[in-house]
Amino acid sequence: GESVGLHLPTLSVQEGDNSIINCAYSNSASDYFIWYKQESGKGPQFIIDIRSNMDKRQGQRVTVLLNKTVKHLSLQIAATQPGDSAVYFCAETPWGGNTGKLIFGQGTTLQVKP
Amino acid sequence: GAGVSQSPSNKVTEKGKDVELRCDPISGHTALYWYRQRLGQGLEFLIYFQGNSAPDKSGLPSDRFSAERTGESVSTLTIQRTQQEDSAVYLCASSSNGGTGNTIYFGEGSWLTVV
Repeated sequence: GESVGLHLPTLSVQEGDNSIINCAYSNSASDYFIWYKQESGKGPQFIIDIRSNMDKRQGQRVTVLLNKTVKHLSLQIAATQPGDSAVYFCAETPWGGNTGKLIFGQGTTLQVKP
Repeated sequence: GAGVSQSPSNKVTEKGKDVELRCDPISGHTALYWYRQRLGQGLEFLIYFQGNSAPDKSGLPSDRFSAERTGESVSTLTIQRTQQEDSAVYLCASSSNGGTGNTIYFGEGSWLTVV
């Protein structure tokens, strides 16, 4: 079936550097994408979202890029901090359906070295 | 409440026993979701409730799993005759009306261990 997957299971970065977490999706009908952050022992926390009519969206220290041609999504974190250490999931949901049901990828662990 | 509340936070049960997990969504949210997360894995969709519509049960892995929701409030996920492979975190989430693009907020999860 359709799935969302991540290129790298673990990403290790130096504090202060920028981080890029990638995600590939296969559901061509998906028009809405979300990034979640999950710290150990906690539930996923919404970070940022993007609709398919956009290719870039910026938040506070985070940017999401969407390339529909190659079905690729990325999350960029500027000036990575120790508090950014967590597992990051991308998720997708088809546009226009009467459901916000999310399909999640497997996750990437971000480790920030002091 | 301020966020999605789940109970119990931790549950250890013997194989073959039934368990009930409870979720209180954010007040006013009409959409409620249950997900399962095995250790080191992503989230698997289980079931979705939206208002008075028939629930989307397409993610329930077997007939041992069921869920109910009282109106637009509390939901209970029941696992009958638990098996060791049921050990996981069960996450509940809610959103304002279930439509695409409405932020889905998660609870902290109920950690289930079947021994």
